[in-house]
Amino acid sequence: GEDVEQSLFLSVREGDSSVINCTYTDSSSTYLYWYKQEPGAGLQLLTYIFSNMDMKQDQRLTVLLNKKDKHLSLRIADTQTGDSAIYFCAGDQGGKLIFGQGTELSVKP
Amino acid sequence: GAGVSQTPSNKVTEKGKYVELRCDPISGHTALYWYRQSLGQGPEFLIYFQGTGAADDSGLPNDRFFAVRPEGSVSTLKIQRTERGDSAVYLCASSPGAGGEQYFGPGTRLTVT
Repeated sequence: GEDVEQSLFLSVREGDSSVINCTYTDSSSTYLYWYKQEPGAGLQLLTYIFSNMDMKQDQRLTVLLNKKDKHLSLRIADTQTGDSAIYFCAGDQGGKLIFGQGTELSVKP
Repeated sequence: GAGVSQTPSNKVTEKGKYVELRCDPISGHTALYWYRQSLGQGPEFLIYFQGTGAADDSGLPNDRFFAVRPEGSVSTLKIQRTERGDSAVYLCASSPGAGGEQYFGPGTRLTVT
């Protein structure tokens, strides 16, 4: 089945760009998603990309998809302290989502 | 508009007891999903409904777990003979149709003592 992997931690300074990376094994996902989870809260859908796209930009967020390398990334421009959270990538498999283990982003002032 | 709601927000139960967790999806969403999230992990898929029927229940860990969605809206996840290993946050999500983007509720934190 699908396996999705992410690095566990990322620390950046406020105002810098953050890049969160994700690799996956199954290329049959139609969509790939990024979710944000703040402490004690549910998952917030940030953005998603269709599998036949290479890039999607949405305000401060840029998603890059490299299908050949099965690599997905989320870039957050001008990172703010309010961006501190856990970020999950996920691919869809017949309707259900397969999640990575999450990357904890820490933004230092 | 109202998002996905889940009740209760917290549930503490003793080992061996039966629990029910409820999910109210976004109005008009036909697809409903249940996931389980253990500490420090990403959510793991349990079951997915399209309308009233379970389209995929391959993630249910064993026959102690069961879910229903009798009228195609509210869903209940039922766990019999709870075990300490069932302790987790149970997340519900809904989407406008099968395969669409999923919107999550705040979750129910289940603690089995």
